Amino acid sequence: GDSVTQMEGPVTLSEEAFLTINCTYTATGYPSLFWYVQYPGEGLQLLLKATKADDKGSNKGFEATYRKETTSFHLEKGSVQVSDSAVYFCALTRDGGATNKLIFGTGTLLAVQP
Amino acid sequence: DAGVIQSPRHEVTEMGQEVTLRCKPISGHNSLFWYRQTMMRGLELLIYFNNNVPIDDSGMPEDRFSAKMPNASFSTLKIQPSEPRDSAVYFCASSYTGGGQPQHFGDGTRLSIL
Repeated sequence: GDSVTQMEGPVTLSEEAFLTINCTYTATGYPSLFWYVQYPGEGLQLLLKATKADDKGSNKGFEATYRKETTSFHLEKGSVQVSDSAVYFCALTRDGGATNKLIFGTGTLLAVQP
Repeated sequence: DAGVIQSPRHEVTEMGQEVTLRCKPISGHNSLFWYRQTMMRGLELLIYFNNNVPIDDSGMPEDRFSAKMPNASFSTLKIQPSEPRDSAVYFCASSYTGGGQPQHFGDGTRLSIL
């Protein structure tokens, strides 16, 4: 079945460091891919998405490129801030389906220190 | 636009009591999802609805859990009787149906069963 694998956390970085959170997926067909962010005490918020191969999603300085050849959707940011501290979830949904049930990764905790 | 609205935000009750969680999806969305989040199990999909009809309830842990969606603007998740192991944060999310559509999450209900 479909699945998403994320790198284990926590990831601890200093402010202004470069961030990469790895995400790989297994799916038949052509899934859409998402990154969600969850700040403490809040629900998940959509951070960015990509719906087809080679698409790049971007938002708030974060980027991820849909790589079909490597089945990956790694999240990157050039310079993290303390306010980026949160849990990040990679997810996929099967494209063209009757519903958009999301398959989530386990989440990666990011802690940014000043 | 109003987002997904969940109530209550916090609920503390004694085991054996009935608990009802409520969700108002974003207007116009026709898919609704209930999730449970714990440290041990992470984020679990409990049930989802499409056009008010339950599509997949395979994630509902036991018969003590039930969910309804009487109309397009309201859903409930009920636990009867509640047990301490039901303590978790419960999220509701909604979306448009179809591949590539992101889910929008509420802020969750933090449930504590004593």
